[in-house]
Amino acid sequence: GDSVTQMEGPVTLSEEAFLTINCTYTATGYPSLFWYVQYPGEGLQLLLKATKADDKGSNKGFEATYRKETTSFHLEKGSVQVSDSAVYFCALGNNNDMRFGAGTRLTVKP
Amino acid sequence: DAMVIQNPRYQVTQFGKPVTLSCSQTLNHNVMYWYQQKSSQAPKLLFHYYDKDFNNEADTPDNFQSRRPNTSFCFLDIRSPGLGDAAMYLCATSRDLTGTRVSYEQFFGPGTRLTVL
Repeated sequence: GDSVTQMEGPVTLSEEAFLTINCTYTATGYPSLFWYVQYPGEGLQLLLKATKADDKGSNKGFEATYRKETTSFHLEKGSVQVSDSAVYFCALGNNNDMRFGAGTRLTVKP
Repeated sequence: DAMVIQNPRYQVTQFGKPVTLSCSQTLNHNVMYWYQQKSSQAPKLLFHYYDKDFNNEADTPDNFQSRRPNTSFCFLDIRSPGLGDAAMYLCATSRDLTGTRVSYEQFFGPGTRLTVL
């Protein structure tokens, strides 16, 4: 079945550092790929998405490219801020089924 | 703004005392989901509805039930909460895109954090 494997955390960075969180997937058909972010005590918020191969999703300085050849959807940001501290989930949507990665906790220190 | 609303945001119950969590949506989506999430782990799907068609995950305990009286509302009933049921409960919605290639995503509510004493 479909699955998502996500880089384990926690990840601790200094402000303005470069961020990469790795995500790979296995799936059949034509899945969409997502990154969700969860701040403490909150629900999941959609950060960005990509619906087909080579699409790049971007939002708030975060980017991820749907790479079918490497079955990957790595999350990147060039310069993180303290306010980016949260848990990040990679997810795969196929028909009406959503599969989540285990989540990566990011802490950004001033 | 169209959204998914969960009430209450925080719920405290006693061991074994039934509790109901509610979810409403203004997105007019026909698919609704309930997830259980513990300690920032990945959300675990409990069940979902396609319209009024109920779909239970195989490993969802019988202690968890759900009702969907109309398109907008969905309830999660925990008949006899145990200490292990303390968690964040997330409601989500989506359009039914089965068989299509349209971009699919789920829209989440803010969650209800359940504490069992």
